[in-house]
Amino acid sequence: KNQVEQSPQSLIILEGKNCTLQCNYTVSPFSNLRWYKQDTGRGPVSLTIMTFSENTKSNGRYTATLDADTKQSSLHITASQLSDSASYICVVSLTGGGNKLTFGTGTQLKVEL
Amino acid sequence: GAGVSQSPSNKVTEKGKDVELRCDPISGHTALYWYRQRLGQGLEFLIYFQGNSAPDKSGLPSDRFSAERTGESVSTLTIQRTQQEDSAVYLCASSVQLTPLHFGNGTRLTVT
Repeated sequence: KNQVEQSPQSLIILEGKNCTLQCNYTVSPFSNLRWYKQDTGRGPVSLTIMTFSENTKSNGRYTATLDADTKQSSLHITASQLSDSASYICVVSLTGGGNKLTFGTGTQLKVEL
Repeated sequence: GAGVSQSPSNKVTEKGKDVELRCDPISGHTALYWYRQRLGQGLEFLIYFQGNSAPDKSGLPSDRFSAERTGESVSTLTIQRTQQEDSAVYLCASSVQLTPLHFGNGTRLTVT
């Protein structure tokens, strides 16, 4: 069964600190992996998208890594800000495109002063 | 030309009533998706439209759920005879081929 598991489920950090969120997947055949940020009461917004051949991709203070061999991805947030408080969702796409997306349940991040 | 627009943003309805949710995708986006997000849970696929192809309805949880799309524009998701377990946020997203999904802010449905 295609699954995407994220950890931790929730995380609280102090402003200015770094953190790393994890995503493990069993989706096959793999096409690409995406990280989304979902603020409370809003729809998810794309942060990064990585294909099989990409190991890392950055978007400002967000850096995503992908190890297609171990089927693991991480999202590293540097110098966290209060506005980073949100749910971070890992989404894996099967080959064939279209609606073949498997969503993780997200990591709820809270950044505090 | 902003993003994906959904209406209403909130809907409270009585059990047994029908509701209709609307999604205006980004102009030119051929693909349109509906998802359901229950509190604290991941997104659950409902239905997918791609151009003029037959929609993929494999995610619809029961025959009380249906969706339509007019060409490559507006889509409506209809839930008939609503039940309390239908309470959730219903998210719409659109995209063009091989690009990230652009989500609306959802409709929060509460069935009392």
